[in-house]
Amino acid sequence: QKEVEQNSGPLSVPEGAIASLNCTYSDRGSQSFFWYRQYSGKSPELIMSIYSNGDKEDGRFTAQLNKASQYVSLLIRDSQPSDSATYLCAGDSSYKLIFGSGTRLLVRP
Amino acid sequence: NAGVMQNPRHLVRRRGQEARLRCSPMKGHSHVYWYRQLPEEGLKFMVYLQKENIIDESGMPKERFSAEFPKEGPSILRIQQVVRGDSAAYFCASVGQSSNTGELFFGEGSRLTVL
Repeated sequence: QKEVEQNSGPLSVPEGAIASLNCTYSDRGSQSFFWYRQYSGKSPELIMSIYSNGDKEDGRFTAQLNKASQYVSLLIRDSQPSDSATYLCAGDSSYKLIFGSGTRLLVRP
Repeated sequence: NAGVMQNPRHLVRRRGQEARLRCSPMKGHSHVYWYRQLPEEGLKFMVYLQKENIIDESGMPKERFSAEFPKEGPSILRIQQVVRGDSAAYFCASVGQSSNTGELFFGEGSRLTVL
């Protein structure tokens, strides 16, 4: 069973801090990884994708991928209360995405 | 702005009834995924379809669940003889034929409650 594992949280950080979200995966065949954000009662929306080892930055978000360790992370700099949501990590596996259970982030004003 | 459209948004059924959930993909998208999300859990893959073809149904329960994506009209996820454990949010996502697998566009979901 191919899996993506995340700590369910909640991860609580003060406004302005860096939030660090982590994810591990079991399928060594996975090549592409994604972070989706889901607000309560809403649908997931894609915020970052990463395909190669290293870092990828987009505004306040940085995704990191280490294929040797099968580890993906998302850093959110200058966290805002509006970032409070559940963050879902996903990896590709045979033409579909396998999602983790999500980490709930709470940014305290 | 024609995004992924799902209906109904909320559906209440009694045990033993049938539930039909519909999904119209984004314009130009020919592939549809269905995912199920239980409360406080992640998204579980159910089925991957293109028009008139089921590509991967490895996540579908063996009984009572079926899905189709006809040449004309929306994709339909059908649950027969619903049980309380079927209560969940069912999300549809679409992707264009040439798009990256992971760049899924999700609908708002259909929330099924089984009494």
